[in-house]
Amino acid sequence: GAVVSQHPSRVICKSGTSVKIECRSLDFQATTMFWYRQFPKQSLMLMATSNEGSKATYEQGVEKDKFLINHASLTLSTLTVTSAHPEDSSFYICSANDRTGLTSGANVLTFGAGSRLTVL
Amino acid sequence: AQSVAQPEDQVNVAEGNPLTVKCTYSVSGNPYLFWYVQYPNRGLQFLLKYITGDNLVKGSYGFEAEFNKSQTSFHLKKPSALVSDSALYFCAVRDPWNAGNMLTFGGGTRLMVKP
Repeated sequence: GAVVSQHPSRVICKSGTSVKIECRSLDFQATTMFWYRQFPKQSLMLMATSNEGSKATYEQGVEKDKFLINHASLTLSTLTVTSAHPEDSSFYICSANDRTGLTSGANVLTFGAGSRLTVL
Repeated sequence: AQSVAQPEDQVNVAEGNPLTVKCTYSVSGNPYLFWYVQYPNRGLQFLLKYITGDNLVKGSYGFEAEFNKSQTSFHLKKPSALVSDSALYFCAVRDPWNAGNMLTFGGGTRLMVKP
């Protein structure tokens, strides 16, 4: 089945530094990837839709200058949390859809394992 | 706008008993409905989906869900719960005509299966 790899799984950084999280589709091409944020004991909130070769589409209330998204190829999207602060600490999850349906079944989003960011 | 409600924050069942995790949805068109499971510090794993066809869909690990259009529900069920089923379950909806690929998730229900 479809596999989405997310790296790093855990990262701890100091306040003010930037952190990059990678999301890769391993066995399919993804023209669109999605970035979610999950707070403890809460549901997933869509942050942005990453579009290959063009600008990401951000959800209302998400700071595009804080959360930089780059989708440079059909298999890689990156989320960079710039000038991170403790309130940015969260679990970030990416997902992608194999539109061919060959690896995951049609209309099924495949999720990465998530990246836990802790900002000290 | 599409939305999903999971009315129970937590469901407790004894091992071997049937389980139900409730989900209701709201979309303007015909919904695509999904159930995902999340284990601690992990991403989401796909369980099952309803797109069209038979209202009863069967998925991974013995789970099934029934699409009920009149009640706008898509409850997740399993005839006999296992301790290993304990996890966080998310219902999600997508309106393919109005929201593209965007999934909207319910708040999640924590399933606790006790031996």
